[in-house]
Amino acid sequence: EVQLVESGGGLVQPGGSLRLSCAASGFTFSRNYMSWVRQAPGKGLEWVSIIYSGDSTYYADSVKGRFTISRDNSKNTLYLQMNSLRPEDTAIYYCARDVPAGYWGQGTLVTVSS
Amino acid sequence: QSALTQPASVSGSPGQSITISCTGTSSDVGGYNYVSWYQQHPGKAPKLMIYEVSNRPSGVPDRFSGSKSGNTASLTISGLQSEDEADYYCSSYTSSSTLLFVFGTGTKVTVL
Repeated sequence: EVQLVESGGGLVQPGGSLRLSCAASGFTFSRNYMSWVRQAPGKGLEWVSIIYSGDSTYYADSVKGRFTISRDNSKNTLYLQMNSLRPEDTAIYYCARDVPAGYWGQGTLVTVSS
Repeated sequence: QSALTQPASVSGSPGQSITISCTGTSSDVGGYNYVSWYQQHPGKAPKLMIYEVSNRPSGVPDRFSGSKSGNTASLTISGLQSEDEADYYCSSYTSSSTLLFVFGTGTKVTVL
């Protein structure tokens, strides 16, 4: 059974940093595209970043230069390093497998506030 | 990276059919057969309902169907059921974004 479990969310001040993790199981992690999608409170879905199996990475303009997506295939784990956080980054962050995303985690809440 | 345009809300009675539109441009919906649809119930993660315009993943009821004409994709729910009440998002590959994919604005489906 495919499972994706996010962790690392929490409350952080503007300008701060967080690293999100997504532990994957039930499939050959190294072979799949992985992505981060976020949803601000009461708002729609937004692709944040995608990493392909060959480690090519893509970012939304809104996070480029501030967020870094990476993966550790030996640990079956996806990461999102988030720096210079802004209040508008407040959202539930989901990790998802493949594009289109057939499998999703339960999400982790990131709140950027002073 | 402009979002694809969807109606804010669509409603129907049980048993009826409804259609949700998703309008983009020739750089996304109109240019590629990589349109997908997601269903999201409150407090839950999204669920893939349709991929590559009209394909259903295993386990998705055949009441859900997808199509595309020009720059507009559509999701049709036939025989509407109470459990279909949810938010629906389209998504497409796009050549006009460095992220390669874009979501729609989302549609709230209400079963009357």
